[in-house]
Amino acid sequence: NAGVTQTPKFQVLKTGQSMTLQCAQDMNHNSMYWYRQDPGMGLRLIYYSASEGTTDKGEVPNGYNVSRLNKREFSLRLESAAPSQTSVYFCASSEAGVSGSMNTEAFFGQGTRLTVV
Amino acid sequence: DAKTTQPNSMESNEEEPVHLPCNHSTISGTDYIHWYRQLPSQGPEYVIHGLTSNVNNRMASLAIAEDRKSSTLILHRATLRDAAVYYCILRDLGGTSYGKLTFGQGTILTVHP
Repeated sequence: NAGVTQTPKFQVLKTGQSMTLQCAQDMNHNSMYWYRQDPGMGLRLIYYSASEGTTDKGEVPNGYNVSRLNKREFSLRLESAAPSQTSVYFCASSEAGVSGSMNTEAFFGQGTRLTVV
Repeated sequence: DAKTTQPNSMESNEEEPVHLPCNHSTISGTDYIHWYRQLPSQGPEYVIHGLTSNVNNRMASLAIAEDRKSSTLILHRATLRDAAVYYCILRDLGGTSYGKLTFGQGTILTVHP
């Protein structure tokens, strides 16, 4: 069972470059999330998607865009990378949705370590 | 979002019980109490959750105060593998929150051999 798979695992970008972080889950979950974690800090929500075709901003959305390509995949795009976006990015999925669910465990990927120089 | 307060760090010896406290005085009736932990260089992983009653699973126990304004995660016998950052999170599954998790700073647990 793969769970949540993120690619790439590591990336170094130059300031101004663009890239897309990929995330896929194989648990048929409705909700997917992108978080970033800066050194010594907790995770902060960038964007989330409650269901296929919908996305919404989280706590720190500036400088990012997302696409919920289908139920499995949720990508995060940096259009013009900045050093302030150096962080570890985590994708997560869960069954929680509009109607709520008792199956509330969220599953996280292993993270993408991004450095912007 | 309702906030939680945890100690910055705690220490334990291997094979001893560990009680990790969490205060959440502004908890609402629809908030579930979740605990996640993050091992070094890994993504967070689910530990346990509860609403009103105490809960047990293979990893830990969750003790919830009667007024729900605080909770305690109990690791019955700490191992070196339990050294991690533990996050206490209030999760609202209702309305438009879509089960988002709001992470605080968490508690860094150090386990000594």
